[in-house]
Amino acid sequence: AQSVTQLDSHVSVSEGTPVLLRCNYSSSYSPSLFWYVQHPNKGLQLLLKYTSAATLVKGINGFEAEFKKSETSFHLTKPSAHMSDAAEYFCVVSDVVGSSNTGKLIFGQGTTLQVKP
Amino acid sequence: EAGVVQSPRYKIIEKKQPVAFWCNPISGHNTLYWYLQNLGQGPELLIRYENEEAVDDSQLPKDRFSAERLKGVDSTLKIQPAELGDSAVYLCASSKDRGLTEQYFGPGTRLTVT
Repeated sequence: AQSVTQLDSHVSVSEGTPVLLRCNYSSSYSPSLFWYVQHPNKGLQLLLKYTSAATLVKGINGFEAEFKKSETSFHLTKPSAHMSDAAEYFCVVSDVVGSSNTGKLIFGQGTTLQVKP
Repeated sequence: EAGVVQSPRYKIIEKKQPVAFWCNPISGHNTLYWYLQNLGQGPELLIRYENEEAVDDSQLPKDRFSAERLKGVDSTLKIQPAELGDSAVYLCASSKDRGLTEQYFGPGTRLTVT
């Protein structure tokens, strides 16, 4: 079965400093991985996705993530945090049964990013 | 392009009362999902529709929860009767198909059962 573990429930950074949100995955097959962001009272928004193409994936708002198979990791980074980045971030893996993608997303527990002025 | 629309945004009911949530997906999206998000946790899939067919409802508590997607467009999720533990955010999402295309999420309905 597929699963993701977000290693930090809360991350606090100062504006202008780098952001690192950590995620490890478990999957029987080559996984499809995503990062979603959830701002208060707003819907989840896709930041980026990895689907077995380039291992370094660039997303919206300056975020990127690197797929590392040897470490089973998919950490999210951003060089310089902005106040508007404060939100809840979810690492997500696509469910696979047999060798077929079911379309079901399996979410991590989430990481709250706080950005201090 | 309009996003996924959900209503109501907030609902407060007493336990044992019924409640219904409505979702209008993005036009042309064949696949519709209902997720449950408990406080401090990631969303969990309740049910997935492809057009009007429920293709994955294994996580839906069928003793009190029901859902429908008549005509393969709008969908309604119902709880009857509600319990205190049902207090959560109910999210609706849609995608063009069940593959690796992006799922677009609505703002959710926050349910409080007292």
